[in-house]
Amino acid sequence: NAGVMQNPRHLVRRRGQEARLRCSPMKGHSHVYWYRQLPEEGLKFMVYLQKENIIDESGMPKERFSAEFPKEGPSILRIQQVVRGDSAAYFCASSPPSRFGQYFGPGTRLTVT
Amino acid sequence: QQQVKQSPQSLIVQKGGIPIINCAYENTAFDYFPWYQQFPGKGPALLIAIRPDVSEKKEGRFTISFNKSAKQFSLHIMDSQPGDSATYFCAASSSSTDDKIIFGKGTRLHILP
Repeated sequence: NAGVMQNPRHLVRRRGQEARLRCSPMKGHSHVYWYRQLPEEGLKFMVYLQKENIIDESGMPKERFSAEFPKEGPSILRIQQVVRGDSAAYFCASSPPSRFGQYFGPGTRLTVT
Repeated sequence: QQQVKQSPQSLIVQKGGIPIINCAYENTAFDYFPWYQQFPGKGPALLIAIRPDVSEKKEGRFTISFNKSAKQFSLHIMDSQPGDSATYFCAASSSSTDDKIIFGKGTRLHILP
């Protein structure tokens, strides 16, 4: 049973470019969460999605960030016009409908130059 | 406002010792308290979790102690090994806020051989 998959693992973007981060949840998991981790910090919640629905985006910056979880395919976190402050590790986690227990992917480390 | 406070920030213990990491929370709506272990360059891995109707939970060498009235919980690692050296995060979530996880800032644990 494959775990949560994220790609790419490392992403380098210049200021002003777009970054697209992908997350495939574990088999049977229909809930996806995205978190951001700054160096030497804990993880901060960004957004919670179910298939075709954004349930809670209270942790998402108001501009430039968006997320989706289409009926088919992975969840996508999109950052437009990246700035240096967006450099961080972005993790997605998935959980089954029964709640309890979020399982994290290996993360995408975004570097903005 | 930091909803989950974790201490200490870092901890060094001799092999075989029992490191203890403490956490305190404020939101009484939290109903699930997981601990995550993170190695450098990896995603957080769910280690053990507890619900507030239980005062203690053991899984292998890892034990959570939970004090609901004090709103505190702690992780004990028995017979610690150098391979336990990692960053540990306590966390909390609530069904009333879609189970998004609120993380503590982490404890960097180093077990001396």
